[in-house]
Amino acid sequence: EVQLVESGGGLVQPGGSLRLSCAGSASTIRDKYMNWVRQAPGKGLEWVSVIYSGGQTYYADPVKGRFTISRDDAKDTMYLQMDSLRAEDTAVYYCVGDPGIRNGMDVWGQGTTVTVSS
Amino acid sequence: ENVLTQSPGTLSLSPGERATLSCRASQGVGATNLAWYQQKPGQAPRLLIYGIFNRGAGIPDRFSASGSGADFTLTISRLEPEDSAVYYCQQFGSSPPDTFGQGTTLEIK
Repeated sequence: EVQLVESGGGLVQPGGSLRLSCAGSASTIRDKYMNWVRQAPGKGLEWVSVIYSGGQTYYADPVKGRFTISRDDAKDTMYLQMDSLRAEDTAVYYCVGDPGIRNGMDVWGQGTTVTVSS
Repeated sequence: ENVLTQSPGTLSLSPGERATLSCRASQGVGATNLAWYQQKPGQAPRLLIYGIFNRGAGIPDRFSASGSGADFTLTISRLEPEDSAVYYCQQFGSSPPDTFGQGTTLEIK
């Protein structure tokens, strides 16, 4: 069974940094477009960022310039470096795989919680 | 950015009834670039529908979807108690951002 497991969440002060990781199983990440999607407490889903299998990256406007997505296919792992964190970045962050056709994201991790608070 | 508006916000129906959920885009969506997800409390979302009308792996045929242009519909026939969830649509443009709708909460009475 294809699995994605996120790690790296936690409590951080405003202005701080965190690095999230998303580990795949059995070459889950290779050849996929890999996304981060977040969900603030009691709110809906918000697309954050994507990295294509070829390495091209895109970001949502609220995180542009502060977050950096990357991938290491040899380690079957994706990352999200989050800098200059704000209270509004508080959310559950999901790692999500897209087979690359861009018409539906079919593999979701269970999420890791990021809390930005002093 | 293509804004998706889902309606109704909340839907309360009985087992066996049919649910119709709407997703309207502020700009036209590409030919196959819309998906639907189901999220139950405390769980990660699950892909229900991809490419506007294709069911995801293991999704029962009670779930169907249609639409084109800027108007899309998810239909759940013969509702069961386990269908209680929040349902989101998502569009994929020629390039990201790949926006979600705000969600429709389906309650099974």
